[in-house]
Amino acid sequence: EDQVTQSPEALRLQEGESSSLNCSYTVSGLRGLFWYRQDPGKGPEFLFTLYSAGEEKEKERLKATLTKKESFLHITAPKPEDSATYLCAVLHNYGQNFVFGPGTRLSVLP
Amino acid sequence: GAGVSQSPRYKVTKRGQDVALRCDPISGHVSLYWYRQALGQGPEFLTYFNYEAQQDKSGLPNDRFSAERPEGSISTLTIQRTEQRDSAMYRCASSLGSLAGTSYNEQFFGPGTRLTVL
Repeated sequence: EDQVTQSPEALRLQEGESSSLNCSYTVSGLRGLFWYRQDPGKGPEFLFTLYSAGEEKEKERLKATLTKKESFLHITAPKPEDSATYLCAVLHNYGQNFVFGPGTRLSVLP
Repeated sequence: GAGVSQSPRYKVTKRGQDVALRCDPISGHVSLYWYRQALGQGPEFLTYFNYEAQQDKSGLPNDRFSAERPEGSISTLTIQRTEQRDSAMYRCASSLGSLAGTSYNEQFFGPGTRLTVL
């Protein structure tokens, strides 16, 4: 059965304190791994897609990396506006059934 | 351009009533997905369409749940004989398509419909 787990469940950082969020997956044939940001009361907002091990993508203070079993979302010098829940989702080879993880709630304190 | 829209944004109904939730995807998006999201959890897949064809409905909890997209654009998720356990946020997302290894898979989510069954 496809599974996606994320850690930590919640993370509190001081402004400027860099850290990483983890997304681990077990899926038969990964076709893509997706990172989303979700603000309270809103729908998830697309951030990145990673397709193969070794791939990296960056956007402002965020950098996503992918290995064969997990992905990391690195946050460099975060600001309070980076506070949100970060979700990862995987898409396997045999369908269009996206499996989401439970998310990591990030709080960045000024 | 306009994003994904959903209506109603909030729906309160009594147990046993039927409800219909509407999703209007981004124009030109081939794929449309329905999810259910509990508080503090990630979205849970329900079903998806490519054009008007329902490709996978394995996530629908039981036969009280159904979805359609008759003209390949607007979709309706219907829950019959609602129960209190159906209370949740129901989210719709759309994407350009499903071409592997491309940005076509990137989903854009609507604001959701908060369903409360009393």
